[in-house]
Amino acid sequence: GENVEQHPSTLSVQEGDSAVIKCTYSDSASNYFPWYKQELGKRPQLIIDIRSNVGEKKDQRIAVTLNKTAKHFSLHITETQPEDSAVYFCAATPRGANTGFQKLVFGTGTRLLVSP
Amino acid sequence: KAGVTQTPRYLIKTRGQQVTLSCSPISGHRSVSWYQQTPGQGLQFLFEYFSETQRNKGNFPGRFSGRQFSNSRSEMNVSTLELGDSALYLCASSLGTSVQTYEQYFGPGTRLTVT
Repeated sequence: GENVEQHPSTLSVQEGDSAVIKCTYSDSASNYFPWYKQELGKRPQLIIDIRSNVGEKKDQRIAVTLNKTAKHFSLHITETQPEDSAVYFCAATPRGANTGFQKLVFGTGTRLLVSP
Repeated sequence: KAGVTQTPRYLIKTRGQQVTLSCSPISGHRSVSWYQQTPGQGLQFLFEYFSETQRNKGNFPGRFSGRQFSNSRSEMNVSTLELGDSALYLCASSLGTSVQTYEQYFGPGTRLTVT
């Protein structure tokens, strides 16, 4: 089945710096890749996603890139702020026979700490 | 539009007991997925329901089961609780009709503690 690896597990940056989190997936048929932000004690919040027919997507300070050939996708956060501090999860939706939709396989998470 | 809600928010149960958790999706959403979140295993997919049918199932024992009602509300049940079932149980809802509507929105979760 699908396997998603995420790196790094922790990331410390200074306010204003950029942060990059990388994920690789194993199922070449996966076609949907969301990113979630989870603050302590809160629910995972969808912050951006990308579909397999798109190479890059931006939303203000956040961008996601997808390389289908290499089977990896990355989250880029520019001009980081202390409120960006949280755990970030990548995920992939495998698309195989009889699996249907809506199954997310998550990476192990990256704890991002933005220092003022 | 109201978000995904889950009840109860916290539960303490004893080994061997059973528990039922409830999830109400965003209005109009027909797909409800359930995930288990633990520090050791991360976020793991349990199952997904769409229009009262289970479409997808993760690698969990048969003690974990679920169902969905005609109003899209979903319940999950865990029987014969074990200490290892202690976790945050999250449900997520989506429109669930095509790749263009894959976005899943999570509820606040139910924190289950098994003693």
